[in-house]
Amino acid sequence: ETGVTQSPTHLIKTRGQQVTLRCSSQSGHNTVSWYQQALGQGPQFIFQYYREEENGRGNFPPRFSGLQFPNYSSELNVNALELDDSALYLCASATAQYFGPGTRLTVL
Amino acid sequence: GEDVEQSLFLSVREGDSSVINCTYTDSSSTYLYWYKQEPGAGLQLLTYIFSNMDMKQDQRLTVLLNKKDKHLSLRIADTQTGDSAIYFCAETSTGGGNKLTFGTGTQLKVEL
Repeated sequence: ETGVTQSPTHLIKTRGQQVTLRCSSQSGHNTVSWYQQALGQGPQFIFQYYREEENGRGNFPPRFSGLQFPNYSSELNVNALELDDSALYLCASATAQYFGPGTRLTVL
Repeated sequence: GEDVEQSLFLSVREGDSSVINCTYTDSSSTYLYWYKQEPGAGLQLLTYIFSNMDMKQDQRLTVLLNKKDKHLSLRIADTQTGDSAIYFCAETSTGGGNKLTFGTGTQLKVEL
């Protein structure tokens, strides 16, 4: 039990749509990171938020954006979905020591 | 850029030791991690080692680090069927902030 929860568990969208994924971490963990894990691959760093500001970004286009709220919950937004966005999206708190169970996104 | 490599698959018999290997390229790596991922689940942090250490032991797990060769290994003693999973090594570096760079994962299969 890591204390990190994500919603929804699974999601199906179509190309061109927009999606919002949510993450809630333990209180006091003011750092949250998001990772994309394609099938059969290791997770890839999307970005990190620290005290509600973006604090590092991986090699992902601007249509991937995020927010962190004062209660340390976080959102990952993806616009103009593409088929290759199908993946497991993981959030992690406290310098990626605690990972949530992930959201499985399927883009048709 | 950073790169982390792992072998894809390892099969062992229950009760034997498993050794999962990992190589990395970033010479400024600060921490190296091992995660376990079971089917349909997120990542579970198993252990980590600071780059100025050679070895770390935690119950059945032993991590060995050869910084000169940029080689990391995870040894699981007395491997059980519940250890069957995908194991990822990952590293952070001084220039990478808190970003983790992961390997592609090693699938460990434990046979009876």
